[in-house]
Amino acid sequence: DGGITQSPKYLFRKEGQNVTLSCEQNLNHDAMYWYRQDPGQGLRLIYYSQIVNDFQKGDIAEGYSVSREKKESFPLTVTSAQKNPTAFYLCASSGAGQGGNQPQHFGDGTRLSIL
Amino acid sequence: AQRVTQPEKLLSVFKGAPVELKCNYSYSGSPELFWYVQYSRQRLQLLLRHISRESIKGFTADLNKGETSFHLKKPFAQEEDSAMYYCAPFSGGYNKLIFGAGTRLAVHP
Repeated sequence: DGGITQSPKYLFRKEGQNVTLSCEQNLNHDAMYWYRQDPGQGLRLIYYSQIVNDFQKGDIAEGYSVSREKKESFPLTVTSAQKNPTAFYLCASSGAGQGGNQPQHFGDGTRLSIL
Repeated sequence: AQRVTQPEKLLSVFKGAPVELKCNYSYSGSPELFWYVQYSRQRLQLLLRHISRESIKGFTADLNKGETSFHLKKPFAQEEDSAMYYCAPFSGGYNKLIFGAGTRLAVHP
């Protein structure tokens, strides 16, 4: 179904390489989020954006970068500075409201692995 | 520090048994609380939020400010309830959701 589309579903990174994960939404949501999920842990917030051209660091932003040039798009770049990038990455969006207190809609996720 | 604890990694019950998935949080102020669920091969999705005070798929969750808990309950579990459940408080002071580690509910026939 539509809503939030993440691509690719699987991604492999070589050592020292930057990779970009795509997240697109057609829900007309103002806020978008990137989470990282590791086995046995909950979702940890990497970056979030409440409006176009603005974003804030989450709890584990080091080694990641984002941009929010369009309302519907919030790509995440995993840089070579991220020493342990192997994880499952989830993108989410939510409607207008104070910060994250509106229900979040999630994509299917991207699984990133190191070659 | 803000923290949310889901003490059980796995909760295994038989069909028809009552279910309680525990969630405790440590937040200042009055957070809003959510339960999210992920069924097999489906996206993570909102199950319910405490402010709505509603029952979704037979599940309810009561906010207990004295015990700082937001346990998810269902009187009679069904096999289709088998999924991963995440408790997620939101605090305006921190301006973000914090997800617990999750509890996997397995309902056996």
